[in-house]
Amino acid sequence: DTAVSQTPKYLVTQMGNDKSIKCEQNLGHDTMYWYKQDSKKFLKIMFSYNNKELIINETVPNRFSPKSPDKAHLNLHINSLELGDSAVYFCASSQDVVVEQYFGPGTRLTVT
Amino acid sequence: TQLLEQSPQFLSIQEGENLTVYCNSSSVFSSLQWYRQEPGEGPVLLVTVVTGGEVKKLKRLTFQFGDARKDSSLHITAAQPGDTGLYLCAGRSGGTSYGKLTFGQGTILTVHP
Repeated sequence: DTAVSQTPKYLVTQMGNDKSIKCEQNLGHDTMYWYKQDSKKFLKIMFSYNNKELIINETVPNRFSPKSPDKAHLNLHINSLELGDSAVYFCASSQDVVVEQYFGPGTRLTVT
Repeated sequence: TQLLEQSPQFLSIQEGENLTVYCNSSSVFSSLQWYRQEPGEGPVLLVTVVTGGEVKKLKRLTFQFGDARKDSSLHITAAQPGDTGLYLCAGRSGGTSYGKLTFGQGTILTVHP
C-alpha cells in the first residue's frame, strides 16, 4: 500500500494556466509538506501543515496556494503558471514536526 | 537563512572503492538527516544523527555528526552498483523554524560495475 501518494505523476501545461496537484497520506501523520526540487536536484521546502494549520510558509509566490481539507490530504494549487515553475514537486508527511519525513513519488510539472 | 553545502556534487567510482560525502554549514542544527533518492522516486531516510560527535553505521554506510553540530559526513565502504543514487543531507533547525528541514544540494553517486 502506498504511504504517500500524489496525483498526477506528470503534468504538462502551458504558461498562464491554473493547475492543482493532490497529495494523500495513509500513515495517520499530523504534519504534511510540499517541496520543490529544481533541475539541479535542489530540494526546498515550500509549505508545511500541522493538523490542517499552516506552520511553515517559505518565500513562495502567492500564485501557489496550499489547501488541507483534512489531516490526510494536502493539495497544491498553482495559478498563472510560469516557465520557472517547471520542477518536480514532492509531498511529504511526518508524525510530528521533528521526526522522519516520508516522501511521495513526486509530480513532474512541465510548463511550456 | 541556513545553508548546507554538500560536496562533491558528482561522484563516479568503480565498484569496491570507498567514498565520502560531506555536508557543511556555518549554522548549528538540532539534528541532521541523510536521505537517498532514486530516479522517479522521493527521498528515503537513511539515518538521523542528533548528538554532536555521534557516529552511526548502517551496513557499509557510516554517518558522522560534527562535534559542533554544523557538519556531517557519509562514508561508504566497498561501494556497489546498488548504491547509485542521489544522496541528500538535511539539517533540522529549531527556534521559530521549528521542524523545518534545510537540504543540501545533493551528491549524485554513480558506481560502475
